[in-house]
Amino acid sequence: DGGITQSPKYLFRKEGQNVTLSCEQNLNHDAMYWYRQDPGQGLRLIYYSQIVNDFQKGDIAEGYSVSREKKESFPLTVTSAQKNPTAFYLCATRKTGTGGYTFGSGTRLTVV
Amino acid sequence: AQSVTQLGSHVSVSEGALVLLRCNYSSSVPPYLFWYVQYPNQGLQLLLKYTTGATLVKGINGFEAEFKKSETSFHLTKPSAHMSDAAEYFCAVSGKDGNEKLTFGTGTRLTIIP
Repeated sequence: DGGITQSPKYLFRKEGQNVTLSCEQNLNHDAMYWYRQDPGQGLRLIYYSQIVNDFQKGDIAEGYSVSREKKESFPLTVTSAQKNPTAFYLCATRKTGTGGYTFGSGTRLTVV
Repeated sequence: AQSVTQLGSHVSVSEGALVLLRCNYSSSVPPYLFWYVQYPNQGLQLLLKYTTGATLVKGINGFEAEFKKSETSFHLTKPSAHMSDAAEYFCAVSGKDGNEKLTFGTGTRLTIIP
């Protein structure tokens, strides 16, 4: 079945560490997105990529980095510069022209 | 630029009662509008979307929404609430053709009272 795989489902990070969240898709969608979700704040866009080898900052990119070396993959690195990284992270894809997004099941990151 | 306002961060209805979740949008271009549902610790699932054409849109699980341009609204309704409807609901907007970024509201948590 086509879909989006986010891994791991739960991730614990020590302060000062970088961690990478995986997002893989086999939907053949061009665009991929990373959102951060905090209680009461909805979803906020971190980074997005509309084609391979190109990506743009979203509304809250500070402390995060991404790469898009393959169409299927869009990993997100949460760096030590991100001051409050504890959140639920959602990856999404979009097929060009359809408007709607398909979401992965998310990764919950906790700083310990 | 687009924005979405969801009125009411928490809504409670009795089982069998009407569900009404409110969404107002702002967009400088003709919008594409969406409703998503999220169950705990899961991703978002598309309930329905409006792109062009008929302004009353039917979605999954008995939900529907009506695009009202004059009121800049896209409220979500369901005639009879079921316990399984308890979840968080997000309204979202993107620009014309749907090729622009999706902007989400802050969400409405729906509780169903037995």
